[in-house]
Amino acid sequence: DIQLTQSPSFLSASVGDRVTITCRASQGISSYLAWHQQKAGKAPKFLTYAASTLQNGVPSRFSGSGSGTEFTLTISNLQPEDVATYYCQQLNSYPLTFGGGTKVEIK
Amino acid sequence: EVELLESGGGLVQPGGSLRLSCAASGFTFNNYGMSWVRQAPGKGLEWVSTISGSAGNIYYADSVKGRFTISRDNSRNTLYLQMNSLRVEDTAVYYCAKGAPLINNWGQGTLVTVSS
Repeated sequence: DIQLTQSPSFLSASVGDRVTITCRASQGISSYLAWHQQKAGKAPKFLTYAASTLQNGVPSRFSGSGSGTEFTLTISNLQPEDVATYYCQQLNSYPLTFGGGTKVEIK
Repeated sequence: EVELLESGGGLVQPGGSLRLSCAASGFTFNNYGMSWVRQAPGKGLEWVSTISGSAGNIYYADSVKGRFTISRDNSRNTLYLQMNSLRVEDTAVYYCAKGAPLINNWGQGTLVTVSS
């Protein structure tokens, strides 16, 4: 099974900051990685796939990058509505797996 | 607009059974693989099972293999999860999700509580 390790598990930043979340895979997965956002008490929401292609309607301040075993999700101008937990998900092979999550808060 | 509406959750005793349903609309259901993903209280996301559009390919997490059965009725645009021999550790919100392996839409979830 492919393990995904996210870091940090928690981050606190100010409005307007640039924040970066890292997801590392236990083996190479090409660009087969997605990111999901989950706000407190809500269902997850799909953000990006192929490590870098944004879902329609997702603000352009979100961007994904990476390939192989290391991937990043960057929020370029953190907004209050971005407070959430972010999960990476590999779609390279079954069983599908998720990272442990990164909780983002406003300082 | 894609809509996924789960139902069937509730309280069940250990060893019991439940069947979850997910009514789908807003897309051509039989063209898409569908998945179930769960989230235990205060924990992260855990993939449970996936079924292809034609039901020809089915996958399960090891934690549920032999106990859970995923199925779909393409004439009713509905996805199912039959859960047998339930354990306390199966307690979670169960989400229906469109797409496999790329999940690009999520339902609102239904809570399953396994407790005596």
